[in-house]
Amino acid sequence: QKEVEQDPGPLSVPEGAIVSLNCTYSNSAFQYFMWYRQYSRKGPELLMYTYSSGNKEDGRFTAQVDKSSKYISLFIRDSQPSDSATYLCAIFNQGGKLIFGQGTELSVKP
Amino acid sequence: DAGVIQSPRHEVTEMGQEVTLRCKPISGHNSLFWYRQTMMRGLELLIYFNNNVPIDDSGMPEDRFSAKMPNASFSTLKIQPSEPRDSAVYFCASSLSPGDTEAFFGQGTRLTVV
Repeated sequence: QKEVEQDPGPLSVPEGAIVSLNCTYSNSAFQYFMWYRQYSRKGPELLMYTYSSGNKEDGRFTAQVDKSSKYISLFIRDSQPSDSATYLCAIFNQGGKLIFGQGTELSVKP
Repeated sequence: DAGVIQSPRHEVTEMGQEVTLRCKPISGHNSLFWYRQTMMRGLELLIYFNNNVPIDDSGMPEDRFSAKMPNASFSTLKIQPSEPRDSAVYFCASSLSPGDTEAFFGQGTRLTVV
């Protein structure tokens, strides 16, 4: 079983839609959960992270962790064409390795 | 700071040739990561260093791959001999310290082995 799994999509939504991106992880001991955003032909960049469980909000973006179900989510409100990118969830595993999900390709149509 | 710098940006080589990818991490960062990204497998961690010391190379696919970090400002990933299945985008990333949630990525090297 992979340590973190993510549906690769692709996902296409109209401008203004609410987007929900999700990952599952394997080990309940994981504490840090990150979301990275990767534009085409660029390296990934950290979007936001959460520690342990609960929600974290940053503008139109909300990251959520449900430790009981080992589920992490990223919500994008009022999505914009500039949000079109690949979104990757990531965790630090027990060995201190930064492990990424496969990434979900999002397209927001004007 | 210019960020993480990788070279070359693109590399096309013939099967069997040696390929060397280079990375300059952000000054002052103590952790360095090499990743490989493909459509099929996503972003895979190959190896990471803390304070120039390789900590975990379990992601290196086989003995054809090797990585070095001779000092805090330079790392190389070498493939010898290269094979078509090595074609991918290779990213180098650095972070301030082990366990830092933010890793800064370079622009990547797009490797094509024909």
